[in-house]
Amino acid sequence: SAVISQKPSRDICQRGTSLTIQCQVDSQVTMMFWYRQQPGQSLTLIATANQGSEATYESGFVIDKFPISRPNLTFSTLTVSNMSPEDSSIYLCSVETGGADTQYFGPGTRLTVL
Amino acid sequence: KQEVTQIPAALSVPEGENLVLNCSFTDSAIYNLQWFRQDPGKGLTSLLLIQSSQREQTSGRLNASLDKSSGRSTLYIAASQPGDSATYLCAVRRSQGNLIFGKGTKLSVKP
Repeated sequence: SAVISQKPSRDICQRGTSLTIQCQVDSQVTMMFWYRQQPGQSLTLIATANQGSEATYESGFVIDKFPISRPNLTFSTLTVSNMSPEDSSIYLCSVETGGADTQYFGPGTRLTVL
Repeated sequence: KQEVTQIPAALSVPEGENLVLNCSFTDSAIYNLQWFRQDPGKGLTSLLLIQSSQREQTSGRLNASLDKSSGRSTLYIAASQPGDSATYLCAVRRSQGNLIFGKGTKLSVKP
C-alpha cells in the first residue's frame, strides 16, 4: 500500500490567481495521477505524471492551465492557473505501486474560487 | 468511450439491513474494476479489486461481483452499520492505468 498526503487540504482563492497543490507519497512510485472531482460529479483524470518525463494530459485539460511537476519518485505538484469559479473542485492525487493493480488516493484538496 | 453509471444515486437504510449497490459500464474491455469508499476530507479508500478474469471478491461484510459480458458489477454489504455511511464509487480501469469513475452512491445507514 501507499500513504499519500496532500497540501493544502483546502483553500479559498480569488479569481485570476493560481494555487499549487503538493502530493507526497511515503514510497517511491512510478505512476502518479491527478484527478478532479467537481461538485456532484465523478472523478475525472487530469493527467498522468511520470518522473523524468512531461505529464500526459487527458482530453479537455492543457498544460498551461494545469502545469504539473514530478521532480522525483515520491513527490508531485499540480498548479491550477488563472482560476475561475468553475475550477472549484476537489483535486486528488493518486498512485499505483509497482506491480500492484490497486490505486491509492490522497485525502484531496478542496478548492473554492470566489 | 467508456461510461460508468451507478444506481441508485442515494440510499438510506436502517441499521442491520443487507443492501446492494449497482454499477454498469458500457465497454466490456476492461482490465479490472475497483470499488472505493469516499469519506469527506479523507479521500478514497479502496474496498475491493476484481480482475477482469474474476467473478467476485470478498472482504469481511463486503462482496463484489463482476459480469464483464453484461457490463455490470454489484457491491453487496451485509448487516449494514452506521459506520458504513459514505459515498461508494465504482471505477473501471483500462489497460493504460487510469480509472474511469461513476458518480457514486451516497449511502446513509440509520441507527
